[in-house]
Amino acid sequence: QKEVEQDPGPLSVPEGAIVSLNCTYSNSAFQYFMWYRQYSRKGPELLMYTYSSGNKEDGRFTAQVDKSSKYISLFIRDSQPSDSATYLCAMSAQSGNTPLVFGKGTRLSVIA
Amino acid sequence: ETGVTQTPRHLVMGMTNKKSLKCEQHLGHNAMYWYKQSAKKPLELMFVYSLEERVENNSVPSRFSPECPNSSHLFLHLHTLQPEDSALYLCASSQDGRPNSPLHFGNGTRLTVT
Repeated sequence: QKEVEQDPGPLSVPEGAIVSLNCTYSNSAFQYFMWYRQYSRKGPELLMYTYSSGNKEDGRFTAQVDKSSKYISLFIRDSQPSDSATYLCAMSAQSGNTPLVFGKGTRLSVIA
Repeated sequence: ETGVTQTPRHLVMGMTNKKSLKCEQHLGHNAMYWYKQSAKKPLELMFVYSLEERVENNSVPSRFSPECPNSSHLFLHLHTLQPEDSALYLCASSQDGRPNSPLHFGNGTRLTVT
C-alpha cells in the first residue's frame, strides 16, 4: 500500500459546484496535513495547512482531517474557473527523518 | 524580486551534455530543496540543504550533483543524463528543514533529455 493515495482525476465540474478532493494515508504518525495548488506551468503553492484532526476554513476552502480513518479532504465551495489546477495533498510526522510525503495530485477543471 | 526564482525555465540537453539548474530564494529561509516532478507520480524529494549543509540524499543517481554555496542559492549540476530523467525540476525553500515546514516553490525547470 502506498503511503499516500490520491485519485489523479481528471475531475471536471460546472462553475458554482462544490468540489471534494481527498487523500488517504497509511502512516498513523502523520500529524501535519497540507494542500498545495499547482497551476499549469507554475510551481505548487501552499493553500491550506492543518495540524492533527478537525476542520479549517479559509474563504471558499475547507480542509478536513479525520485521523481515525486516515482520510483528509479539501472542499471548494462555489467553484470558479480560476480554481482549475492540480491539487496536491502532503503530510508529515511530528518529528523524525521522514520527509514530507506528497500525493500524486488531482487535476481539477471548473467549466464556465 | 521576491519568492523563489529558477533558471532556466526550459532546458533541452543531450545525454553527453553538462548543464546546471539555478535556484535563488529571496525569503530569508534557511532550507532549500530540489524535487523532481514526473507525470502521474508524486513529487520526489532529491536533496535538502539546511543552513547550507546537505541533510537528505534520497538515493539520487550521481549524475545529479547539488551545490549550495549560501542559504539563498542552490544549484543542480547535471551530467550524462538519461531520457528517463526528463521531468520538471522544482526548487523550494522553507524556514527550516523540518518536514512540517511549509514549502515555497519556484516555477520549475522543464528538462528534456534527448
